[in-house]
Amino acid sequence: GDSVTQMEGPVTLSEEAFLTINCTYTATGYPSLFWYVQYPGEGLQLLLKATKADDKGSNKGFEATYRKETTSFHLEKGSVQVSDSAVYFCALRVNSGYSTLTFGKGTMLLVSP
Amino acid sequence: DTEVTQTPKHLVMGMTNKKSLKCEQHMGHRAMYWYKQKAKKPPELMFVYSYEKLSINESVPSRFSPECPNSSLLNLHLHALQPEDSALYLCASSQGRGEDEKLFFGSGTQLSVL
Repeated sequence: GDSVTQMEGPVTLSEEAFLTINCTYTATGYPSLFWYVQYPGEGLQLLLKATKADDKGSNKGFEATYRKETTSFHLEKGSVQVSDSAVYFCALRVNSGYSTLTFGKGTMLLVSP
Repeated sequence: DTEVTQTPKHLVMGMTNKKSLKCEQHMGHRAMYWYKQKAKKPPELMFVYSYEKLSINESVPSRFSPECPNSSLLNLHLHALQPEDSALYLCASSQGRGEDEKLFFGSGTQLSVL
């Protein structure tokens, strides 16, 4: 079946540090890939997405590139801020009629001043 | 309006109570979803409605009863819940078709069953 594996957290960084959160996937079809962010006490917000190989999704300084050869979609940001502290979920969707996402377990990011 | 609105934000109920969670969107989306999220876990899909008809039920116990009165509203009726049902319940919506499908989530209802 489809699955997403994310690196264990929490990831603890100082402000302005470089961020990488690893994500790999297995899928029977040809998936679209997503990163969602969840701030404390809130629902999930779509951060970025990519629908085909070599696509790069980007938003708010975050980037991720769809790598079919390594089945990966690692999240990166060059300089994190305290306000980036949240839980980040990698997810995939095998194209079908509905957006039934398969989520990774989530990675908590803690950024200190 | 790109919001999915859920009410109430918090709910405490006893195991014999009957309560309902409500979800509303005005983006013209034709697919609506209920997810359950336990603390420090990813969301788990419960139900999918497409064009106001139940399309997916992920083997959810019958004490959870979804309802889609119209294309903008989605309810989740709760009855005789167990303490292990305490979780964050998230509603989401999407256009319901196309490769560029995106899920929009509400902020959730934090449910505590005593």
